[in-house]
Amino acid sequence: EVQLVQSGAEVKKPGESLRISCKASGYIFTTYWIGWVRQMPGKGLEWMGIIDPSDSDRRYSPSFQGQVTISADKSISTAYLQWSSLEASDTAMYYCARLAASGIFHFDYWGQGTLVTVSS
Amino acid sequence: DIVMTQSPDSLAVSLGERATINCKSSQTLLYSSNNKNYLAWYQQKPGQPPKLLIYWASTRESGVPNRFSGSGSGTDFTLTISSLQAEDVAVYYCQQYYDKGTFGPGTKVDIK
Repeated sequence: EVQLVQSGAEVKKPGESLRISCKASGYIFTTYWIGWVRQMPGKGLEWMGIIDPSDSDRRYSPSFQGQVTISADKSISTAYLQWSSLEASDTAMYYCARLAASGIFHFDYWGQGTLVTVSS
Repeated sequence: DIVMTQSPDSLAVSLGERATINCKSSQTLLYSSNNKNYLAWYQQKPGQPPKLLIYWASTRESGVPNRFSGSGSGTDFTLTISSLQAEDVAVYYCQQYYDKGTFGPGTKVDIK
């Protein structure tokens, strides 16, 4: 059974750094790209970027390029989303999701979400 | 960037009636080399992650009830729920994956 299990909720202050994780199981991690999607409170879904875990090839939305870093550790089947300096506007639910095939495709499996709250 | 729009923003439909959601892209999502439309539909219920319903504009994901169908090509697409059930109350999003990815703003479906 394919599963994406995300790390727990985080409460951070502006300016702090953060890395959240997404652990994959039930399939060969390096065979499928993984992406991250933001959902701000009460708002819609935003495609942030994707990574190929086999070689760490990344594609970012222009809106998120330079704002976050997506990475993956294939030895532990885990993808990451990180910030070097959080802002209040980063407060949101973040979902990881698996792309349905190698390359840019739709998302077929989703994690449960990680709520990030940034407040002074 | 490809911009996705959806209409209506929300709709209320009686149980058993048809619900229709429209999605439009700012450029074609039809890839000429394989004749596939790079468009997916997702359902999101409150407090849950999104769920894939339709991909390639009209291919139903395994396990999705056949009352859900997708149609359209190029820049104009439609998600139809043929006979609305109570469990279909949700927000529905279209997403293009022709060029990276972009979601539409969502359409909220309620019971009238």
